[in-house]
Amino acid sequence: SQTIHQWPATLVQPVGSPLSLECTVEGTSNPNLYWYRQAAGRGLQLLFYSVGIGQISSEVPQNLSASRPQDRQFILSSKKLLLSDSGFYLCAWRSGLAPGELFFGEGSRLTVL
Amino acid sequence: AQSVTQLDSQVPVFEEAPVELRCNYSSSVSVYLFWYVQYPNQGLQLLLKYLSGSTLVESINGFEAEFNKSQTSFHLRKPSVHISDTAEYFCAVTLSYGGATNKLIFGTGTLLAVQP
Repeated sequence: SQTIHQWPATLVQPVGSPLSLECTVEGTSNPNLYWYRQAAGRGLQLLFYSVGIGQISSEVPQNLSASRPQDRQFILSSKKLLLSDSGFYLCAWRSGLAPGELFFGEGSRLTVL
Repeated sequence: AQSVTQLDSQVPVFEEAPVELRCNYSSSVSVYLFWYVQYPNQGLQLLLKYLSGSTLVESINGFEAEFNKSQTSFHLRKPSVHISDTAEYFCAVTLSYGGATNKLIFGTGTLLAVQP
């Protein structure tokens, strides 16, 4: 069966520090991968998605970047965090073969101080 | 472009009472619809989905949703809620065709607060 792992679960970082959140998927190949951010009362905001290795699409201009160095690995990064980067970050995958449901990781809570 | 509206940000209800969480979508083409549930500090879990066929879909824990094309709605219902149903519920829509670039568009969520 397929599983998705996301880490770290919780992160407290000072403003201006770098960020790296990692996500890996097991049990499937060539998945579509997604990074969402969830801010209180604002639902889910799609940040990045990837349909293959090295292929990244950005949904909103911001302080963050994403990379996909391997088929089942998706990384969210920042060189210098802003206060506004605080939130709950969710990685998700779905089959690349047909539209359907997303499968989410457990999330990473980032607090920027 | 598609969009999803969940008008109720919070729905308080007593245990064993019925509940309806409303979801309306906007799309000029055929769509797939989903309900997700999120417990505190966890990721989202798929609750149920409508892809095709019967317009009434059910989950394993007693929730159901009905796809109403004429009213562009996909409301979530449960005849008798439990304390353990307390969570945030998200409605989502995606195009029913196309390839890998299809995105899931989420509503802003409804917090179901079940009180004893």
